[in-house]
Amino acid sequence: ETGVTQSPTHLIKTRGQQVTLRCSSQSGHNTVSWYQQALGQGPQFIFQYYREEENGRGNFPPRFSGLQFPNYSSELNVNALELDDSALYLCASSLGGTGSDTQYFGPGTRLTVL
Amino acid sequence: AQRVTQPEKLLSVFKGAPVELKCNYSYSGSPELFWYVQYSRQRLQLLLRHISRESIKGFTADLNKGETSFHLKKPFAQEEDSAMYYCALHTNAGKSTFGDGTTLTVKP
Repeated sequence: ETGVTQSPTHLIKTRGQQVTLRCSSQSGHNTVSWYQQALGQGPQFIFQYYREEENGRGNFPPRFSGLQFPNYSSELNVNALELDDSALYLCASSLGGTGSDTQYFGPGTRLTVL
Repeated sequence: AQRVTQPEKLLSVFKGAPVELKCNYSYSGSPELFWYVQYSRQRLQLLLRHISRESIKGFTADLNKGETSFHLKKPFAQEEDSAMYYCALHTNAGKSTFGDGTTLTVKP
């Protein structure tokens, strides 16, 4: 069984640029959730994709967008980067789009915006 | 709006002492509550979830809907329990909320 993987591990961008982060789900999982974790805080929910459709969204602006592909891997895109977007971005996969499903986390992508 | 509060950022106990990590939540629907743990240099992983009503590594957590709490307890802490603990609420609407975490240190 393959766990959740994320790429890249680290990324440095400048303000105003765009970034794409990638996530491969655990085998058999059809749901992916994305989180932003700033230093000293818990993960903040960005959105969830279930079977290629957005299933729920947190309080993030539209410049945060996502995609889920037929193989259930996923991308997080952030446009017009701001300094405050610097954070660890986590993705988590789960078996189904319900609240009782355990989420399995990837190692994260560390984004630095200069 | 849903919210999860972990009032203690840091908690330190001696080995063999009981430990309780507090979690309070607010949610208008029926909550699905979880505890996740992150050991040093490891990824976030599930510790336990209320729906399973199981004990993992000696930890238990009871959902108290009256007090809107889901405190994590262990009667005898071990040094290997030192980690960051997050309480989380997942909903069927596809939204999740995590607390800001409690760093538990178990001293020898």
